[in-house]
Amino acid sequence: DARVTQTPRHKVTEMGQEVTMRCQPILGHNTVFWYRQTMMQGLELLAYFRNRAPLDDSGMPKDRFSAEMPDATLATLKIQPSEPRDSAVYFCASGSRAASSYNEQFFGPGTRLTVL
Amino acid sequence: DAKTTQPPSMDCAEGRAANLPCNHSTISGNEYVYWYRQIHSQGPQYIIHGLKNNETNEMASLIITEDRKSSTLILPHATLRDTAVYYCIVRVQNSGGSNYKLTFGKGTLLTVNP
Repeated sequence: DARVTQTPRHKVTEMGQEVTMRCQPILGHNTVFWYRQTMMQGLELLAYFRNRAPLDDSGMPKDRFSAEMPDATLATLKIQPSEPRDSAVYFCASGSRAASSYNEQFFGPGTRLTVL
Repeated sequence: DAKTTQPPSMDCAEGRAANLPCNHSTISGNEYVYWYRQIHSQGPQYIIHGLKNNETNEMASLIITEDRKSSTLILPHATLRDTAVYYCIVRVQNSGGSNYKLTFGKGTLLTVNP
């Protein structure tokens, strides 16, 4: 059963610390998305990649957030320095033209981040 | 992408059909209607999508009005596990271009009661 995996599932850190979240897309998927979910803002798209290249990161605060795909099996989202307002659940999703013409995004379980 | 309007919450009895409405009066001719749901503490899950014809899969049916200004997601026999937030999203279908975005609204919280 192919699934998107995310680590860690939970992260508690102090303000100012660096946070790195990891995502393993479904094998063969070449599009990866990062979303953030809060009670106030709901689900927001932060960035997405196709074939490891960033296509759009306009939803991401550039001064402290960075997203990369070191290889086809790993996507990372980094926050440095973290702030309390970054507390949220961060979801990774992947998709594939071969699988679904990019219409279906497969979401991971999320990383719940708490910044104290 | 066109904006959608959904009721904030709905209730349904277990075993009955759940009919979730969505208004998208400004939908364009090349925009599809997508439905996702999010069960508590999980990531969103794709359900179904369609352009103008009614669609059915193993999870649900999608009924789109002839003028395409509204649609209804039907869960034919709702179970307790169908309790979730259901999102209706309107978007141009990907065709190899660069627009892969899904813009989630607030959705409808469907509560299936025993």
